[in-house]
Parts: sequence; structure tokens; C-alpha cells
Amino acid sequence: EADIYQTPRYLVIGTGKKITLECSQTMGHDKMYWYQQDPGMELHLIHYSYGVNSTEKGDLSSESTVSRIRTEHFPLTLESARPSHTSQYLCASSDVQALYGYTFGSGTRLTVV
Amino acid sequence: KNEVEQSPQNLTAQEGEFITINCSYSVGISALHWLQQHPGGGIVSLFMLSSGKKKHGRLIATINIQEKHSSLHITASHPRDSAVYICALTSGTYKYIFGTGTRLKVLA
Repeated sequence: EADIYQTPRYLVIGTGKKITLECSQTMGHDKMYWYQQDPGMELHLIHYSYGVNSTEKGDLSSESTVSRIRTEHFPLTLESARPSHTSQYLCASSDVQALYGYTFGSGTRLTVV
Repeated sequence: KNEVEQSPQNLTAQEGEFITINCSYSVGISALHWLQQHPGGGIVSLFMLSSGKKKHGRLIATINIQEKHSSLHITASHPRDSAVYICALTSGTYKYIFGTGTRLKVLA
């Protein structure tokens, strides 16, 4: 079944650690997105990609980085996690014109202690 | 002024009540989307509209392009409908423009 998968679902990690949040989709979508969402707050776009080897920064500045080496895979990396990175991270994908809207993953809830 | 405004911001209803959530926008759109997010959960797409009205189970979504307004209705509300409902637009860039969300709580 076509879907979008995020792992891990929950992550508690110490300050200074490097982490990678995984996002994979099986729908063949060209466009992928990473959103950051604090509890009870709005979604903020932090990264997006139009296709392989294409990545752009979003509307909200983030210390994270992304890569898009394969169409289906769009991992997000924090080189040195800090408590200010504690948040929920949501991955999404869409076709080129978002004709059917976005498909969202279940999110990764990150806590940096 | 935000490009997408939702009202109300918070809504508490009794089980069985008819609920309406409104969305007004100020930009040209290719489509309007209604999304649902349960606490701590991911986001589910409920409807995508470019005109008229759509119905899925107890949910009905309407859009008036001329008035730049959309409504999401829930008939016979149930506690499991408790969630944040988000209105989002796609326009020329095909990036979502999100509303601030409506927090709905349905009491048994």
C-alpha cells in the first residue's frame, strides 16, 4: 500500500548527539517536505525538495539539514542536538502540482535533554 | 493579516451536536484542503476542494470561490471527532499555506 513512513516515532536524546530522522514514501512523489510543530502550535515548513538532488530551506530557519539522494527517501539530520530542537517533526510528500494535496507521515516527536 | 483565517480557534461541543468550522482566505488558490490532526498524531487529509461541496460520512465541506470562504461541518458529533482541524491552501507554488487550526473538543 502506498504510504509515507517516519521513524522513529519517538526519540529522547542527549544534548550534542547527532540524529537523523527518517522519512520514506512509496508513492513515487517528486515533492517532499519537512515541517516542525511545537505542541498546540502551527506547522512551520523547514525544508522541501522538488526531486532528487534538489533541496531548499523553508519558511522557518532551522539548524537541521536534509538530503534527497533517492526519490523515496528524505532524511533530516541534526548534527548536534540541543534542547531548543525539542519538537514534533512531520514529513509529507505530494505530486508535482499537489493535485491531491499532501500525504503526511505520523511524525517524530523529538525530546533533547 | 494572515492569508488564511479560521474560526473559531477553540470549540467545545456536546456529543451529537452539529459543528461548523469556518475558513476565509485572501489569496488566489488552486485548491483548499481540510486536514485533521489528533493530539500528538500525524495529519490526515479529509477533503480537497476547488469548488462546490463534498461529503464523506458525517463530514461535509463546502467552498465558495467568489467569497473566498469554506466551511467544514460535522453532523452528529462524537468524542472521537476531538482533534485540531486545519484549513490549508495550495496556490501557484503548490506549497501549503496553513490556517491556525480549530481545536475541537466533543464531550460525551
